[in-house]
Amino acid sequence: AQSVTQLDSQVPVFEEAPVELRCNYSSSVSVYLFWYVQYPNQGLQLLLKYLSGSTLVKSINGFEAEFNKSQTSFHLRKPSVHISDTAEYFCAVRANSGNTPLVFGKGTRLSVIA
Amino acid sequence: DVKVTQSSRYLVKRTGEKVFLECVQDMDHENMFWYRQDPGLGLRLIYFSYDVKMKEKGDIPEGYSVSREKKERFSLILESASTNQTSMYLCASRVGLSGNTIYFGEGSWLTVV
Repeated sequence: AQSVTQLDSQVPVFEEAPVELRCNYSSSVSVYLFWYVQYPNQGLQLLLKYLSGSTLVKSINGFEAEFNKSQTSFHLRKPSVHISDTAEYFCAVRANSGNTPLVFGKGTRLSVIA
Repeated sequence: DVKVTQSSRYLVKRTGEKVFLECVQDMDHENMFWYRQDPGLGLRLIYFSYDVKMKEKGDIPEGYSVSREKKERFSLILESASTNQTSMYLCASRVGLSGNTIYFGEGSWLTVV
């Protein structure tokens, strides 16, 4: 079975400052890793994912995450945040074979302050 | 674009009522999921379905059942609603074994009074 730990439940940050949202996972098998974002009163949207290959993956809106197998981590970063990035962010993991469901962390609420 | 539609955005039900939450996807996905989202607890898996008429329990199936008679539709049933089932319910779908990304509906806010 897989599990995910998001180390911060809330992260306040000033606009244009950098941010890192931390995610660690546990699994006895190889995994796929995901970050989802949820804006207020909406469902979840995929932000980025790691399946294989390059350990650094990027989204179209400036976020990036790096898969670190030795640290079992998949931290999300952005060098300069905007007010519109205010949302809840979920890290998720699944085994990379079989019809296994996604296992989610408890979420990190990012609040960008003007 | 994949579309996952949850029939009701906001519902208010009384304790003891039988509640149906409906979810339809339009991309012929084999896998469908029901999650429950609560503040501070993230998303917890209630049930999922590999294919038509197939279902598997997730982490918190107690008090819930599901039905998947057609590929595009996955229903969550609360047999006898209780106040501790007040929550946001999220449906999702995914292509089967080769699928990497799951797509979510907008969510159904259920209040049980």
